[in-house]
Amino acid sequence: DVVMTQSPLSLPVTLGQPASISCRSSQSLVHSDGNTYLNWFQQRPGQSPRRLIYKVSNRDSGVPDRFSGSGSGTDFTLKISRVEAEDVGVYYCMQGTHWPFTFGPGTKVDIK
Amino acid sequence: EVQLVESGGGLVQPGGSLRLSCAASGFTFSSYSMNWVRQAPGKGLEWVSYISSSSSTIYYADSVKGRFTISRDNAKNSLYLQMNSLRAEDTAVYYCARDRTGNYWGQGTLVTVSS
Repeated sequence: DVVMTQSPLSLPVTLGQPASISCRSSQSLVHSDGNTYLNWFQQRPGQSPRRLIYKVSNRDSGVPDRFSGSGSGTDFTLKISRVEAEDVGVYYCMQGTHWPFTFGPGTKVDIK
Repeated sequence: EVQLVESGGGLVQPGGSLRLSCAASGFTFSSYSMNWVRQAPGKGLEWVSYISSSSSTIYYADSVKGRFTISRDNAKNSLYLQMNSLRAEDTAVYYCARDRTGNYWGQGTLVTVSS
């Protein structure tokens, strides 16, 4: 199985400051169809996961532009340019290239 | 508006069975692959099962293989998960999610396996 690792696992941030989460996969996430199925999810307390970014860098409709995704191959990053209070929650990267699809362990973002 | 609504969760004894359902609306259900994902209390997310749009391709996580069966009825816009031989470690909120990118999720249904 593809192992997804994230760092850090806990990320206390100051409001208005940037934040960055790293996600690494144990093998390349480039699918035979040419796409890289690396997605990012946000899970606020008590809510279902919500997709923020799909296929590495595509922001979902309604997602603030302070969220951005980048990377390639096995190394990916989610950045929040200026953290707001509503960004508190757990962030997961997830690969949909190789079955079984796998998630990272999650990064808990909270406010200092 | 895309909606996914899970149902069928509840309390079941170890070794028992449950059938989860996911009712889809707001999109052409028959055009999309679907998935079941679970989250144990206080834990992370685990992809449980995948089914392609035509049901021709099905995958299971090793943790549920041989015990769970995913299916769909495109005429009824519904996704199902038949869960047999349930164990305590199957206790989780079960979500249905659309396609391999997890585009949309339901609100989840809680399955508790306990005597």
